[in-house]
Amino acid sequence: GQSLEQPSEVTAVEGAIVQINCTYQTSGFYGLSWYQQHDGGAPTFLSYNALDGLEETGRFSSFLSRSDSYGYLLLQELQMKDSASYFCAVNRDDKIIFGKGTRLHILP
Amino acid sequence: SQTIHQWPATLVQPVGSPLSLECTVEGTSNPNLYWYRQAAGRGLQLLFYSVGIGQISSEVPQNLSASRPQDRQFILSSKKLLLSDSGFYLCAWKTGVMTSGGNTEAFFGQGTRLTVV
Repeated sequence: GQSLEQPSEVTAVEGAIVQINCTYQTSGFYGLSWYQQHDGGAPTFLSYNALDGLEETGRFSSFLSRSDSYGYLLLQELQMKDSASYFCAVNRDDKIIFGKGTRLHILP
Repeated sequence: SQTIHQWPATLVQPVGSPLSLECTVEGTSNPNLYWYRQAAGRGLQLLFYSVGIGQISSEVPQNLSASRPQDRQFILSSKKLLLSDSGFYLCAWKTGVMTSGGNTEAFFGQGTRLTVV
């Protein structure tokens, strides 16, 4: 089967850095993606790691290690608007499988 | 540019009534299309996906069905709704694997919040 594990909730302080981890048990996938979803809204794409290593997009970075079946999303200089749920996802063949999501709470 | 339309935004239906949710995509051809359901505060459960007209793959046995009568149209249906069908339904599209080389970026509609009463 395919499964992706994420912490259900993470809390951090405004201006700080937070890391959201994702471990997976699947094979034959193309890469690891991250999505953001605000309450009541639709998920939006944040980043994609096709290869091992770090990808940086502004305040957000994402990392993948296929040998460790592990990835993470790193959010820097946290802002209140970053309060949302974050999902890791893998694309296996034509399916997109999502983790259960991590709710990020940001304290002022 | 590509856009995805999903309607209605909210829906309240009695148990046992039929359901039809529609999703259309503009600005792209032969997209992969997806239906997801999300329970409150939970993850995205893949219900159906389609790689072409008339091609439907079902991920979870359930009370729902999907159809793709046109290249950029994806419909989610039920003949008789159950209370457990309540949730947030999301349609999404992405470029097929053979074209994109595996890039996972998917684009979501704004969702339909279904309440079965």
